[in-house]
Amino acid sequence: SQKIEQNSEALNIQEGKTATLTCNYTNYSPAYLQWYRQDPGRGPVFLLLIRENEKEKRKERLKVTFDTTLKQSLFHITASQPADSATYLCAPTDSWGKFQFGAGTQVVVTP
Amino acid sequence: DGGITQSPKYLFRKEGQNVTLSCEQNLNHDAMYWYRQDPGQGLRLIYYSQIVNDFQKGDIAEGYSVSREKKESFPLTVTSAQKNPTAFYLCASSRQSYGYTFGSGTRLTVV
Repeated sequence: SQKIEQNSEALNIQEGKTATLTCNYTNYSPAYLQWYRQDPGRGPVFLLLIRENEKEKRKERLKVTFDTTLKQSLFHITASQPADSATYLCAPTDSWGKFQFGAGTQVVVTP
Repeated sequence: DGGITQSPKYLFRKEGQNVTLSCEQNLNHDAMYWYRQDPGQGLRLIYYSQIVNDFQKGDIAEGYSVSREKKESFPLTVTSAQKNPTAFYLCASSRQSYGYTFGSGTRLTVV
């Protein structure tokens, strides 16, 4: 069965450092991979998408990589700020647009 | 401002009761979705609708029902057949197969 793994332990990081989150998937052949941010008690917010033929995608302080050989996506938050504290969800998506969400990784940025 | 409105924010249900969660969008999106989120788990798809008067079961449809009489509205009924309804319910809409827009959620508790 399809499986998505994100670090279940919270990532505690100091302000200004780079946070790196991992999304691993098995029994999937995603055409692209989405990343969302979710704050407590709120719905997820779409951040960005990376396609299978793209190695890297950037948006402001966010950087995503996608390695289809390793079946893995890495999500980086550079120069992290306390406002970046949230849970980040990945969603590998097939060519039909069908996807599942990972359980998410909580990021805590301390001043 | 365009968006998705879910109501109520908090809902309490007695054993054996049916309750209906409201979801309204003014984004002119064709597709709408209902997800359930439990602590430590990813979002799980309950039902989705690609067009008015048509909807499909998701991964965990048992004990739930929906209707799509208008493009803007996609209410979810949690029936008494749902054995473990306490959860955070999220409604989403989209124009394409990625970049979903989510509402703020309804937290349902069985009392």
